[in-house]
Amino acid sequence: QVQLVQSEAEVKKPGASVTVSCEASGYTFLNYGITWVRQAPGQGLEWVAWVSPYHGETKYAQRFQGRVTVTTDTSTNTAYMELRSLRSDDTAVYYCARAGHSNFLWHFDLWGRGTLVTVSS
Amino acid sequence: DIQLTQSPSALSASVGDRVTITCRASQTISNWLAWYQQKPGKAPKLLIYKASRLESGVTSRFNGSGSGTEFTLTINSLQPDDSATYYCQRYDSLITFGGGTKVEIK
Repeated sequence: QVQLVQSEAEVKKPGASVTVSCEASGYTFLNYGITWVRQAPGQGLEWVAWVSPYHGETKYAQRFQGRVTVTTDTSTNTAYMELRSLRSDDTAVYYCARAGHSNFLWHFDLWGRGTLVTVSS
Repeated sequence: DIQLTQSPSALSASVGDRVTITCRASQTISNWLAWYQQKPGKAPKLLIYKASRLESGVTSRFNGSGSGTEFTLTINSLQPDDSATYYCQRYDSLITFGGGTKVEIK
């Protein structure tokens, strides 16, 4: 079954870091990129970052530069997103999605179910 | 930065109606536009990519058109299951999403 399975919800304090994982199955992991999109409660979609498991190349939205890192582990077909220096406005559902493998400019045809990250003191 | 503006932000229509959602870009994005459907508590689902290409497995009642700066998503013969929020996404030089259009069934 072609799917992306994300890690469970997290609750973090301001200033902490969070890592969300996204395990791919049912397709060749190296043939596609993984992109990360977030959605704050009641709000729209916001692109965060992209990584190519094949090239190791990454791309970050400007507003997250320096605060987010995306990586992959090709031995386990898993992508990771680490967000640091968390603030209350980082509270959101974080989605991973399948994307282009050599170019971050792509549409997203397969999505994980999302991971809720709550930042609260 | 190129802005994507969706209109309307919400609409209510009856089963069987034809519904049109517009996505306008502040500068040309060629045909690098996708449309997604999102139901409450669920991940978005790709409907259309490259402005007019129907994603595999998506009903042909959904139709995408346009290029340059103006794009439309048309839902033909609206069904109860179409109740959702619809987003456009540009991917020409950056990735951004429109603000969304909530479609409600009367």
